[in-house]
Amino acid sequence: DAGITQSPRHKVTETGTPVTLRCHQTENHRYMYWYRQDPGHGLRLIHYSYGVKDTDKGEVSDGYSVSRSKTEDFLLTLESATSSQTSVYFCAISESVMVLAGGNNEQFFGPGTRLTVL
Amino acid sequence: AQSVTQPDIHITVSEGASLELRCNYSYGATPYLFWYVQSPGQGLQLLLKYFSGDTLVQGIKGFEAEFKRSQSSFNLRKPSVHWSDAAEYFCAVGATGGGNKLTFGTGTQLKVEL
Repeated sequence: DAGITQSPRHKVTETGTPVTLRCHQTENHRYMYWYRQDPGHGLRLIHYSYGVKDTDKGEVSDGYSVSRSKTEDFLLTLESATSSQTSVYFCAISESVMVLAGGNNEQFFGPGTRLTVL
Repeated sequence: AQSVTQPDIHITVSEGASLELRCNYSYGATPYLFWYVQSPGQGLQLLLKYFSGDTLVQGIKGFEAEFKRSQSSFNLRKPSVHWSDAAEYFCAVGATGGGNKLTFGTGTQLKVEL
């Protein structure tokens, strides 16, 4: 299994409080992603990173920010949590996106963080 | 924009029966296509992937999928289902540029009757 950990694994918080989720990898992969999973929606991309300090928005980025100061860590922050952000959050990593050059663009997923905002 | 449709929300099959899960995608160029499986309370595990070449792709756990460009489909199949295959299955399409952002379908929940 790819070395990906997420912390915390479970969190309950109140509306309006800040929350930070951490994704840590030991694979030295360049690309990292944050997804949220909700019933009836599958997984949707929040933000992704293509290198240290290089990040970009995904499909559902409103209300979320990210930071990547080291290759191994990708943080997802909810500045002021809302009930609509109750979800399961998955981190993923990928070695490459350059398949035609022989790279492997498979994304490996972490175990997830279940966040409940009351 | 890319999109994925999995028209079957739930499927029930008997153990030993064959299985086909449907996936249709929308993408303007040759896509990267993936099937992932998720067991309850777990993360996602890759079953198989398609980038180019042979349109019939073999994966882990006895699964295979066939890419049909004319139908914009990438259906997942297994000749004989085992009770341990009960899980949720996700089809995903990846952009060939821009960081390989994946777009997932809404998933198909597979139940296996003994």
